[in-house]
Amino acid sequence: AQSVTQLGSHVSVSEGALVLLRCNYSSSVPPYLFWYVQYPNQGLQLLLKYTSAATLVKGINGFEAEFKKSETSFHLTKPSAHMSDAAEYFCAVGRRTGNQFYFGTGTSLTVIP
Amino acid sequence: KAGVTQTPRYLIKTRGQQVTLSCSPISGHRSVSWYQQTPGQGLQFLFEYFSETQRNKGNFPGRFSGRQFSNSRSEMNVSTLELGDSALYLCASSTGTGLNTEAFFGQGTRLTVV
Repeated sequence: AQSVTQLGSHVSVSEGALVLLRCNYSSSVPPYLFWYVQYPNQGLQLLLKYTSAATLVKGINGFEAEFKKSETSFHLTKPSAHMSDAAEYFCAVGRRTGNQFYFGTGTSLTVIP
Repeated sequence: KAGVTQTPRYLIKTRGQQVTLSCSPISGHRSVSWYQQTPGQGLQFLFEYFSETQRNKGNFPGRFSGRQFSNSRSEMNVSTLELGDSALYLCASSTGTGLNTEAFFGQGTRLTVV
């Protein structure tokens, strides 16, 4: 069985501060992990994905995530928050192929000016 | 190139009715999957189609069904609508082959059941 848990349904940061969104996974096989972002009334956009090639994954818009097997974590970070980063963020675990994902419950990020 | 197109964007139906939602994938994509998003349950996988065949299915009642056409366009149908079916229905497309192909999501269809 595969699943992800996102800690913190709401996170607030000041503009320019570090963004840290937490995700822990559970998988009986090597996981394929993803972070998606959803803006209001929009679909999901892929930020980055882990495919076992490298533990530190860089994505779009300055985001990155580090895969830590010992901690079963895949936390999302960004060094400096921007107002445009305010959105809902979803961590997901997927199959090797295809687009069947198991999503976390999401974290709403608020950026305070 | 054009993204994933879902129609209609908004829909209001009455309990007991049925509804059909449409998804046009990105050109060349053969895999289409559907998700239900609600505030209480989050994003839940409904089913995935690849080359007109259902490849995976989530844990939803038989009232939820889908199909895929030869041009990869997909439809999902919900019969005997219940209030709890009110949700944002998202469609995602990908090439469906190869390792970890990126899935592109449409903007969704907002279904309200009254």
